[in-house]
Amino acid sequence: ETGVTQSPTHLIKTRGQQVTLRCSSQSGHNTVSWYQQALGQGPQFIFQYYREEENGRGNFPPRFSGLQFPNYSSELNVNALELDDSALYLCASSVGTSVYQETQYFGPGTRLLVL
Amino acid sequence: AQKITQTQPGMFVQEKEAVTLDCTYDTSDQSYGLFWYKQPSSGEMIFLIYQGSYDEQNATEGRYSLNFQKARKSANLVISASQLGDSAMYFCAMRERTGANNLFFGTGTRLTVIP
Repeated sequence: ETGVTQSPTHLIKTRGQQVTLRCSSQSGHNTVSWYQQALGQGPQFIFQYYREEENGRGNFPPRFSGLQFPNYSSELNVNALELDDSALYLCASSVGTSVYQETQYFGPGTRLLVL
Repeated sequence: AQKITQTQPGMFVQEKEAVTLDCTYDTSDQSYGLFWYKQPSSGEMIFLIYQGSYDEQNATEGRYSLNFQKARKSANLVISASQLGDSAMYFCAMRERTGANNLFFGTGTRLTVIP
């Protein structure tokens, strides 16, 4: 058990809708990263938050946005859903930020299906 | 260019035998970390082992060891005494000192342990 939880576990939306995914990090972990994992692929980095500020972003459009709260919880919001947004969304928490040695601990993920 | 390359889409191993999962990486950073994660069908990414770019010894964690060959830019995972519960997807990942503080993942190797 990593102590990282995500909700909901599964979600079905239709194209054009908006969705909010939630993550609760390990206590004491100031960094949360979000990844998208399409079927048959490795996870792709969406963005990272450190102490409630965005601290890095991958090649994802602005309709992917996030928030991090002081209580170690965070959200991933996706607007104007597209069929290609169907994927497993993983959040990962870690203690600090600019330390390449640091391990990221993942939650169980949210499976999003866009119809 | 791909940061992480895993050339084995699937591997089979007999129970109690050892197996090596291949991983090569590409970076111009001198400082980086290499990670292996296991992903069962449930979806959660489970951290297995870490190797730092300056570590001279190969990392070991129980039945997992990492065969690190820096000059060849390879970081192969060796699982000894395979168990049925080792059947899963295995991902190699890298985090660079520079950049967006994210993990770069390969496409994974599906390991099946045969009784």
